[in-house]
Amino acid sequence: SSELTQDPAVSVALGQTVRIRCQGDSLRTYHANWYQQKPRQAPLLVIYGKNNRPSGIPDRFSGSNSGNTASLTITGTQAEDEADYYCNSRDSSGTLLFGGGTKLTVL
Amino acid sequence: QVQLQESGPGLVKPSETLSLTCSVSGDSVSTTSFYWSWIRQPPGKGLEWIGYIFYSGSTNINPSLKSRVTISLDMSKNQFSLKLRSVTAADTAVFYCARIAATVDAFDIWGQGTMVTVSS
Repeated sequence: SSELTQDPAVSVALGQTVRIRCQGDSLRTYHANWYQQKPRQAPLLVIYGKNNRPSGIPDRFSGSNSGNTASLTITGTQAEDEADYYCNSRDSSGTLLFGGGTKLTVL
Repeated sequence: QVQLQESGPGLVKPSETLSLTCSVSGDSVSTTSFYWSWIRQPPGKGLEWIGYIFYSGSTNINPSLKSRVTISLDMSKNQFSLKLRSVTAADTAVFYCARIAATVDAFDIWGQGTMVTVSS
């Protein structure tokens, strides 16, 4: 189906590692991109393509794909990483998709 | 430094047409490497891709909105625009314009967003 599914909420202790997942059939063919959105701000691209970080994004952010699941991993999570995270990809018809978003809480 | 800025009315009446413009600086909408896109986000909800336009004028619109959406390009002003017809309260959202890196479908530069409320 042409959907990307994310867990609504995830929590992580400060300094620990967290994985945020995105599932969808299109991910068997296309990579996911990942965005961070803080309150009252526009989304910010943090991972694109196979596992690339735009300039200025800390290397604690990384991405991976396996089958129909893409993952965003934050290693050594910081307080400022608390945000909503969205994945995006495309389906076979060319429609661009966003996941429903995951709210990350840093404890 | 590439910057995008949305502009347009913050309030639109039901059944009317929502019109927004995105002004681009630091890049050209005539580039072949990027698409120019609109995304919306209803209050408290997730992101929804509306559509994009390429320098050639070709467009790709979300099938769920295709019957109501037009996206156009004005190269002379380095802008692109969105028209959403027959709006209802369900169209109330923050509207973002963004640049898409064509090879990876990644929205790499975003405008700050503009809130549009549909209400009489």
